[in-house]
Amino acid sequence: GQQLNQSPQSMFIQEGEDVSMNCTSSSIFNTWLWYKQDPGEGPVLLIALYKAGELTSNGRLTAQFGITRKDSFLNISASIPSDVGIYFCAGETSGSRLTFGEGTQLTVNP
Amino acid sequence: SAVISQKPSRDICQRGTSLTIQCQVDSQVTMMFWYRQQPGQSLTLIATANQGSEATYESGFVIDKFPISRPNLTFSTLTVSNMSPEDSSIYLCSVAGSFIGYTFGSGTRLTVV
Repeated sequence: GQQLNQSPQSMFIQEGEDVSMNCTSSSIFNTWLWYKQDPGEGPVLLIALYKAGELTSNGRLTAQFGITRKDSFLNISASIPSDVGIYFCAGETSGSRLTFGEGTQLTVNP
Repeated sequence: SAVISQKPSRDICQRGTSLTIQCQVDSQVTMMFWYRQQPGQSLTLIATANQGSEATYESGFVIDKFPISRPNLTFSTLTVSNMSPEDSSIYLCSVAGSFIGYTFGSGTRLTVV
């Protein structure tokens, strides 16, 4: 089946630093999504990307849909303590089904 | 985006029993999905809940173990049958689509003892 390779697996950064994480796949996806999951909660959608090459921002977050439709990255600028959590990429295939990456655990030290 | 209510939020169950999880959406949606998140892992799609027909299961998941109902366009249930400790996971309901958003419920945390 389709797989998404997400990296890095974990990150430990200082408050104020910028963060970058990415996902790659051997398969093409119609849509790329980035989620954040806090402990005890379901994933919350951060950014949705619908077109190859699309670059979209949401506050301090910026994400891009790769030209080949097989990859995407998420950048977080000027990190703050509440950015702590697990970030997941997801690719949408036929029938709106989602395949998830393994997740990036982000820790922000104040 | 759609708002999803899922219950129960958590449960502790005896092995060999079954648990039914309910998912209510605040608007009519065509596509509803059930995902599983094993401890410390990512999310894996169990099945697509189809309104008016049988659910479509992903590889590795079967109807006898995870029967799903979808009686209307706003509601679905997932049953985890004949549970074993390996079924201890978070089960999540979701809706997806460019017009309704890609939203998840808060999940049901299941522990099987």
